[in-house]
Amino acid sequence: AQSVTQLDSHVSVSEGTPVLLRCNYSSSYSPSLFWYVQHPNKGLQLLLKYTSAATLVKGINGFEAEFKKSETSFHLTKPSAHMSDAAEYFCVVMGGNKLVFGAGTILRVKS
Amino acid sequence: EPEVTQTPSHQVTQMGQEVILRCVPISNHLYFYWYRQILGQKVEFLVSFYNNEISEKSEIFDDQFSVERPDGSNFTLKIRSTKLEDSAMYFCASSGGYNYGYTFGSGTRLTVV
Repeated sequence: AQSVTQLDSHVSVSEGTPVLLRCNYSSSYSPSLFWYVQHPNKGLQLLLKYTSAATLVKGINGFEAEFKKSETSFHLTKPSAHMSDAAEYFCVVMGGNKLVFGAGTILRVKS
Repeated sequence: EPEVTQTPSHQVTQMGQEVILRCVPISNHLYFYWYRQILGQKVEFLVSFYNNEISEKSEIFDDQFSVERPDGSNFTLKIRSTKLEDSAMYFCASSGGYNYGYTFGSGTRLTVV
């Protein structure tokens, strides 16, 4: 069965510094992977998706993620954090015709 | 940009009562889903719906739950007799197909008292 593990429940960065949110996946076949973001009291917004095309995927708001099969990882990065990036981020894998969510990483951005 | 709309945003109900959560998916999408997130826990899959029938459901989706698409635009989740443990944020999502990604609504926060 497909699953994802988000390695950090909380990440704290200073505004203007890089962001790294880590995700490892487990899949018996080539996975479809997603990152979603949830701002407080808001819905789930798709940041980016990997569907076996380019291994470096660019998303919205300056985020990107790199699919590394050898490491079974799909880490989310951003060169420079902004206060508005503070939210909860979910790494997600497609399992059959449904999404399987990681536990989430809460990103805190300090001014 | 097209949106998935969910109503109400908040609902408080007494244990044992029936609730209906409503969703308007994106108009040209064919696949519809309900997920839920109990406070402090993972987002969990409940059910998927395609071609006017359930295509997959989780073990959470027992006989207390049902879904329907009554009029070609709305997609509803009914909980027949709510329990305290049904308190959660319920998300509706729709998709144009495999690998297209899902568009989620803003959720309905259900509180059972």
